[in-house]
Parts: sequence; structure tokens; C-alpha cells
Amino acid sequence: SQTIHQWPATLVQPVGSPLSLECTVEGTSNPNLYWYRQAAGRGLQLLFYSVGIGQISSEVPQNLSASRPQDRQFILSSKKLLLSDSGFYLCAWSVRLAKNIQYFGAGTRLSVL
Amino acid sequence: SQQGEEDPQALSIQEGENATMNCSYKTSINNLQWYRQNSGRGLVHLILIRSNEREKHSGRLRVTLDTSKKSSSLLITASRAADTASYFCATAGAGSYQLTFGKGTKLSVIP
Repeated sequence: SQTIHQWPATLVQPVGSPLSLECTVEGTSNPNLYWYRQAAGRGLQLLFYSVGIGQISSEVPQNLSASRPQDRQFILSSKKLLLSDSGFYLCAWSVRLAKNIQYFGAGTRLSVL
Repeated sequence: SQQGEEDPQALSIQEGENATMNCSYKTSINNLQWYRQNSGRGLVHLILIRSNEREKHSGRLRVTLDTSKKSSSLLITASRAADTASYFCATAGAGSYQLTFGKGTKLSVIP
């Protein structure tokens, strides 16, 4: 069966520090991969999605970047965190060319202080 | 921009009652999905309804879709305290890899 791992679960970082959140998927090949951010009490904002290694589409221009160095690995990064980067970050995957059903990781709670 | 808009934003009911949540969207869709999120956790897919379907059931869940009104509803029958969570609708456009999520309905089921 397929599983998605996202870490860390919580992270407290000072303003101006770098960020690296990692997400890996097991049990499937060639998944579509997604990074979302969820502000408190709000819906999900799509940040990046990827349909293949090295292929990244950005939905919202901001202080973050994403990379897909391997088929089942998706990384969210920042060189210098801002206070506004605080939030709940979710990674998800879906089967390519399927019905868009997405499967989510447990999320990372990021607090930038 | 967010396409789905759930209504109500929050709903509190007694255990055993039915809970109904609504979702409206703005553009044409290929399918509409409902997800559940327990506090501080990831989302879990509940049910998908295609644009050519009007109603779908899964256990205690019933979803309807009215494409002429661009709206959907999720009914949870005989609610349980364990149903307490936020519920999101998400729309998928034709040929799109993306889902557009609404802001969610926070459901509280009181034992």
C-alpha cells in the first residue's frame, strides 16, 4: 500500500533562517506531488505541484521554492524565512492521469518567530 | 483564488443528528470531492462525485451535486462524536492536476 511521510511534524525557526521540509511517498511510482499551506482556520492554498522529476510549477510567487530530486521525494525550501511563512504545510500525492484524488501527509506546523 | 465556498463555516449538533454542509463553486468542473481534516492533521479523502452524477453514497455519507447551481452538499447521517472535524470540498477542472479547496466547515458533534 502507498504511504506518504512528511517531516518534521513541528518546527520553530527564527526569522531569516533557512527552511527545508521533506516529503516522501512509498508504494507508488510517478506520482503527482503537491505542497499546500493552510493558515489558521482557513482552506488550503496550493504552493507548488510537480508531475515529474525536476518539473515544478509554482502557483503563488513568494519566499518559498520546491524541488523534486527523486521521483518520490518533494522538498519545500526557503533561504530566509519571514514571519508570514508561519502556517501548516501539507504535502500530498495523487496518481498521475487519474481522478485527482489526493492523499495527504500529516503536515508540518511551522512557527517563524 | 479559492473556488469552493462551504456553508456554514461552523456547525454544532448533538450526537445522532444529521449534519449537512454545502459547497458552492464558480467554474465548470470535472469532479467535486469532499475531504475531512481532524484538528492539526492532514486531509483524508471521503468521496468523489463526477460532474455527470447527481448523488452518491458511501456509508453514512451522502453527496449531491447540482451543476446548474454549481453547488454540492454533504450529508452525514446519525452523527457520532468521532465525526468532529473540518470538512472541505475541492473541485477539479477538466484536464487539471490541481484541486481547489474551499475554506471548510468545522463540525462539532456533542456526545
